[in-house]
Amino acid sequence: GENVEQHPSTLSVQEGDSAVIKCTYSDSASNYFPWYKQELGKGPQLIIDIRSNVGEKKDQRIAVTLNKTAKHFSLHITETQPEDSAVYFCAAMGTGGFKTIFGAGTRLFVKA
Amino acid sequence: DAGITQSPRHKVTETGTPVTLRCHQTENHRYMYWYRQDPGHGLRLIHYSYGVKDTDKGEVSDGYSVSRSKTEDFLLTLESATSSQTSVYFCAISEDPGVYEQYFGPGTRLTVT
Repeated sequence: GENVEQHPSTLSVQEGDSAVIKCTYSDSASNYFPWYKQELGKGPQLIIDIRSNVGEKKDQRIAVTLNKTAKHFSLHITETQPEDSAVYFCAAMGTGGFKTIFGAGTRLFVKA
Repeated sequence: DAGITQSPRHKVTETGTPVTLRCHQTENHRYMYWYRQDPGHGLRLIHYSYGVKDTDKGEVSDGYSVSRSKTEDFLLTLESATSSQTSVYFCAISEDPGVYEQYFGPGTRLTVT
């Protein structure tokens, strides 16, 4: 069935460094790729997304890249801050928009 | 924040008892979803609804049922709770498949003893 793999499961960086989280997906029909941030005790919140007709998207310190041929996409956070510490989930959604497949999550620690 | 509430926020129940979790939205979004979150698995879709009385199964629907009699409410029922259903349950809403973004509620932590 459809699958999204996410790596690494844990990532620890120094404040100010960059963090990269990578995901691969199996369904070639997937056309929408959101990234969610989940803080302790809360529900996930969308931080950035990318559609299949775009290769890269930026929003301040956050960027996402998509390689449809290789079926992988990545989240890049630059100039990390302690408040970036959270669990990050990638996801892939196919046509119709009913079913989203999530990766297993990456716990990011930003050390001050 | 999107207007989504979940109740209860925490529940402890015994194996074999029925449990109903409620999701309530004030956004008038058509689509509503129930997910469970377990360590190492991310979020997995249990059931979703694309309108009043219109529901369908997700990837982990066994042992769960849902109902949606009003736009604003989506109920998840565990007919006979089992320990494997101990999890954190999240409700989500979205306006339209073409918009795609989902907004998540605060979650319900369910423990089945």
